[in-house]
Amino acid sequence: DVKVTQSSRYLVKRTGEKVFLECVQDMDHENMFWYRQDPGLGLRLIYFSYDVKMKEKGDIPEGYSVSREKKERFSLILESASTNQTSMYLCASSSHFRDRRSYEQYFGPGTRLTVT
Amino acid sequence: AQTVTQSQPEMSVQEAETVTLSCTYDTSESDYYLFWYKQPPSRQMILVIRQEAYKQQNATENRFSVNFQKAAKSFSLKISDSQLGDAAMYFCAYRSDGGYQKVTFGTGTKLQVIP
Repeated sequence: DVKVTQSSRYLVKRTGEKVFLECVQDMDHENMFWYRQDPGLGLRLIYFSYDVKMKEKGDIPEGYSVSREKKERFSLILESASTNQTSMYLCASSSHFRDRRSYEQYFGPGTRLTVT
Repeated sequence: AQTVTQSQPEMSVQEAETVTLSCTYDTSESDYYLFWYKQPPSRQMILVIRQEAYKQQNATENRFSVNFQKAAKSFSLKISDSQLGDAAMYFCAYRSDGGYQKVTFGTGTKLQVIP
């Protein structure tokens, strides 16, 4: 079974703090994604990565950055957390887009971040 | 840009009954994938069913089936014989066939199953 794990289920940070959210997958997947989930807005893509050290902006990258130094690990960074970044953050992974079976994204359990 | 619309924020169904969740999408592409994902309360999101746009036959997975209407850009999910474990948020999603795997999600439908 594919496992995608996230470093924390719940996190409380103060405004202005630098926040790191970690995601690890054990299926040797090339693609990894960070989403933000808010009620009434669904999932919105923040960033994705299709290879080590490669990244692409999603729909809402402002205020976030990412790092992928190893294939299995994809980190989301909030350089200076703000209250409007309070949300549920979901990580996902999938195999290479040239793999026709790569349609499925496997999700982590999510990190509920509160910024006060 | 593609958009995915789920017009039913919440729905309820009696246990053992059938329910249909609606989804419409907008795209100019001819080849793409459509998905329904399920997110149970406090649990990880999982794929329920997928449909390739080039296939005319509607996908089926046990009690879950879809009604894919390509011309109308409609993709509804039917859950038969609803069970308590079906209670969850359901997200409709779209992915292009080529390029990177950017997936566009709808806003979700919260399904309540009444015993």
